[in-house]
Amino acid sequence: GEDVEQSLFLSVREGDSSVINCTYTDSSSTYLYWYKQEPGAGLQLLTYIFSNMDMKQDQRLTVLLNKKDKHLSLRIADTQTGDSAIYFCAETYTGKLIFGQGTTLQVKP
Amino acid sequence: GAVVSQHPSRVICKSGTSVKIECRSLDFQATTMFWYRQFPKQSLMLMATSNEGSKATYEQGVEKDKFLINHASLTLSTLTVTSAHPEDSSFYICSARDIGEPNQPQHFGDGTRLSIL
Repeated sequence: GEDVEQSLFLSVREGDSSVINCTYTDSSSTYLYWYKQEPGAGLQLLTYIFSNMDMKQDQRLTVLLNKKDKHLSLRIADTQTGDSAIYFCAETYTGKLIFGQGTTLQVKP
Repeated sequence: GAVVSQHPSRVICKSGTSVKIECRSLDFQATTMFWYRQFPKQSLMLMATSNEGSKATYEQGVEKDKFLINHASLTLSTLTVTSAHPEDSSFYICSARDIGEPNQPQHFGDGTRLSIL
């Protein structure tokens, strides 16, 4: 079946950049997404990228997509303590969202 | 932006009780809503796709008689956990897709934490 893989944990210092990586298997995915989940809360859509794009930037967030390698990354510039959360990448498959395991981002002051 | 309201946010009840969770799209209509389950420190697992006016489509391994889904209007889907037991304790999250924006992302509710004693 379709699969989305992420590293489980990332620790950075406040002010540094964070890069969260994701690989996926379905080359026909139209959109790829990044969601943020804070403790005890639902999912907040951060950003998404259409599959014919290589890059999308939205304020501190930059998404890079390498379709050939099926690799997606999320870069957070000037990471703040409020960015500490779990980040999920997701691809669409037959109208459904397939999520990665989530990357826990720890931001140290 | 699009808002999905999920209610209640937390439920604690005794084993054997049936629990209903509501998912509402507040400012858009949704023919399709999704129900997910999330165990601690794990990803979201799709349980079923809720279709307005028709039967829900359940994922493999999810008991449809255990998790009853009703999607009676374009703004409301309900998930009822029947005769809940401690193993049903989990975080349940719904999402909805705007009928007018089929290529746009799903919008998620804030989740319901269900604890069965």
